[in-house]
Amino acid sequence: DAKTTQPPSMDCAEGRAANLPCNHSTISGNEYVYWYRQIHSQGPQYIIHGLKNNETNEMASLIITEDRKSSTLILPHATLRDTAVYYCIVRVEYGNKLVFGAGTILRVKS
Amino acid sequence: DTEVTQTPKHLVMGMTNKKSLKCEQHMGHRAMYWYKQKAKKPPELMFVYSYEKLSINESVPSRFSPECPNSSLLNLHLHALQPEDSALYLCASSPGLAGGRSHYEQYFGPGTRLTVT
Repeated sequence: DAKTTQPPSMDCAEGRAANLPCNHSTISGNEYVYWYRQIHSQGPQYIIHGLKNNETNEMASLIITEDRKSSTLILPHATLRDTAVYYCIVRVEYGNKLVFGAGTILRVKS
Repeated sequence: DTEVTQTPKHLVMGMTNKKSLKCEQHMGHRAMYWYKQKAKKPPELMFVYSYEKLSINESVPSRFSPECPNSSLLNLHLHALQPEDSALYLCASSPGLAGGRSHYEQYFGPGTRLTVT
């Protein structure tokens, strides 16, 4: 699975959009981008995934660049409960494995 | 019910003890996973069971022994552990890949925090 690079930490004001970048410059054509988050003392939680089109669900939006070498997870209106470690993961289609990188610690502040 | 439960929440064991961690899900998922997470580190995959058969073992030492007695249950048997095995052990489940679905999210339990003394 391709390696991802994320900033170690980010701050965001409550109510503002949180934009979390991820670099996956070695991604292959059959690899998807997944985002999970882990709130303190809990197990990871799936957020969203995509291949090349932008995706949106009730939690977040995922913007993938045209060359697929990077993506951005957007939490449109961050709340204090969104404070967590956010993991960007690249995984092959039909793959069973999630390989977690170091992730980004997002701190949402009031 | 979209919950994965894990018991116990906390476990302290000596290096000569034998203990087991238990994981349960009732979502009809056919794939189940064990991950290990050290403090301030990301989770690391240990084992994957698919349709009750072990499909991935990430070169885990034999002192960790997984077992999948049925599609809802996953156990991790522990024996002769070392202090460096102290960690949060996470269980996860997901729908199986049969049936044409290639993408699925993994649902994680809250974990068992293990301390080896």
